Amino acid sequence: DAKTTQPNSMESNEEEPVHLPCNHSTISGTDYIHWYRQLPSQGPEYVIHGLTSNVNNRMASLAIAEDRKSSTLILHRATLRDAAVYYCIVRRGTSYGKLTFGQGTILTVHP
Amino acid sequence: KAGVTQTPRYLIKTRGQQVTLSCSPISGHRSVSWYQQTPGQGLQFLFEYFSETQRNKGNFPGRFSGRQFSNSRSEMNVSTLELGDSALYLCASSSRQDGGYTFGSGTRLTVV
Repeated sequence: DAKTTQPNSMESNEEEPVHLPCNHSTISGTDYIHWYRQLPSQGPEYVIHGLTSNVNNRMASLAIAEDRKSSTLILHRATLRDAAVYYCIVRRGTSYGKLTFGQGTILTVHP
Repeated sequence: KAGVTQTPRYLIKTRGQQVTLSCSPISGHRSVSWYQQTPGQGLQFLFEYFSETQRNKGNFPGRFSGRQFSNSRSEMNVSTLELGDSALYLCASSSRQDGGYTFGSGTRLTVV
């Protein structure tokens, strides 16, 4: 899987938007971009994934750069419950279940 | 619908023993993956099963093994436990090759 680079930590205030960046300059044409988050004492939680086009779901939006070498996870209105470690993962189509987790970004949300 | 269920939630074993962990995926999910999470190494992929066949394996010693049953339930086994095997073991399931994975809450294994 392609290597990803994320900031170690970010902070936000409650009810403000949060933009979590991820660089993946070695991504291949058929690699998917996945985002997961992990709250304390829980297993990782799937957030969103995409291939080329921007994606939206009830949890977040994923903005993918035109050259696909970077992406941004957007939380439209942060809540205290969004405080977690966010992992950006570039997953090869033939990686059969393998998600390569990096260190992720620790998001702190202030009330 | 029910999520991914892992049993037991907590386990304490003695060095040299073996242990079996169980994972019941979401109904209809045929792909089951296992991960080990430790403070030092983070989340590391162990192996993945699909239709009772192991399709992918991480870089772990042969003491770590798994299997999947016809109902997609999966077990992983660790033999000759070492202190360094103390970790949170997570199971995840998916219905699609390119889809997202749903994780269970994990089994916390402590080796003493």
